[in-house]
Formats: sequence, C-alpha cells, structure tokens
Amino acid sequence: NAGVTQTPKFQVLKTGQSMTLQCAQDMNHEYMSWYRQDPGMGLRLIHYSVGAGITDQGEVPNGYNVSRSTTEDFPLRLLSAAPSQTSVYFCATWGQGGRHGYFGPGTRLTVT
Amino acid sequence: KQEVTQIPAALSVPEGENLVLNCSFTDSAIYNLQWFRQDPGKGLTSLLLIQSSQREQTSGRLNASLDKSSGRSTLYIAASQPGDSATYLCASRMDSSYKLIFGSGTRLLVRP
Repeated sequence: NAGVTQTPKFQVLKTGQSMTLQCAQDMNHEYMSWYRQDPGMGLRLIHYSVGAGITDQGEVPNGYNVSRSTTEDFPLRLLSAAPSQTSVYFCATWGQGGRHGYFGPGTRLTVT
Repeated sequence: KQEVTQIPAALSVPEGENLVLNCSFTDSAIYNLQWFRQDPGKGLTSLLLIQSSQREQTSGRLNASLDKSSGRSTLYIAASQPGDSATYLCASRMDSSYKLIFGSGTRLLVRP
C-alpha cells in the first residue's frame, strides 16, 4: 500500500513549455485534489475531483487542466508554464466519509 | 470568504517547554478545523481534527482546541522535543466537500 505517490519530485521548465504532474493513489479513495504551496502562503486549492469523470475548479485554477479517467489517477497539466507557476504542488485524497486525508510528498516545480 | 491566519510565522523554543500555536479564522460557520504537520521536503501529515460541535481533541502530547465564537483554534504541545521541529498548518473546512482553506503555517524549532 503506497498511499499517495507523486511524480516527478522535481522539475524545471522553461516559460511556455507544457507538462503533466502525476498523482496516483492505491486506497480506492473517491476524492482527490491538487494544491499549490508558495513561500509564506498556505496551500491553495487548484482543482479537485469527487470521482472518476467528475472534476471541478478550486481557488486558483487558471493555467491548469485536470481529468479523472480512473479512481487511481488524477494528473495535473500545465498548458503553457509561466514563472508564476513556480511552486510546490501537493496531491491529496480522501475516502468517502474520510476525515483526515492523505497528502503526497509533493512536486517542486521551477519555471524559468 | 474564509481567511485563516497563523501567528507567529516562526517560533524557537528550548526543549521541554510547553507551547501554544495559534490559528484564527474569519468565518465561524466552519465544518471542522484540522491541524497538520509538514516536515521539510515532505507532504502534510494530519495531527488532529476538531469537528464544529467539538471543543477539543487530544493525541498524546498534542491538544487542539476550537472556539468558533472567537474564530480561534490553538494547538498545545506539551514537553516539546527536538523531533517536534516542523511547520504546523491549520486548515478549515466549510462544508463536507473536503475543500480545505489553509493558514500559512508556523515554523517551529525546538532547540536541544
């Protein structure tokens, strides 16, 4: 049982490049979400999903795309990277009725 | 719109001291309040969760309280140890949707 895994751990992109941050969970959790953490700020919700085929926007969705074709995976796509997207990205999951949630180890992204 | 604030941003204490971390929120109609621990380069680990109907929760040397009327939660750490050094984040949920609103965290250093 690996819990929540995120790949890659680190990534450097040039402005305008696209990439996908991967999040996978093996706990059969229905709810998955993406947060970004910037220095001196709390985590902010980007997108979330309440189940396969269902996604919705969080607080800061611009510049990001998500899809949820399976229960296990919830990839986050950066369409055209900008320096403002330099951040640490966390994936989190909750089971139905779950209280505490599980966070992945994060992906540190730098956009130059 | 809910805003969550944590003061101070950083705290340094000698080993063995009892300490209190503060979390304040602007909208008292919360669903629950959760405290997390974040170690450098790692994801978040849930420490304590207080439902809106509860006043406090305890786990080992940790005690979290909730006062909705004043918009405050505190995390009490008894007999602090160097291993408690980490960033502590609080987060509120406003409904059952698992969308968390985070404070910016308090970085705690416990000196041997």
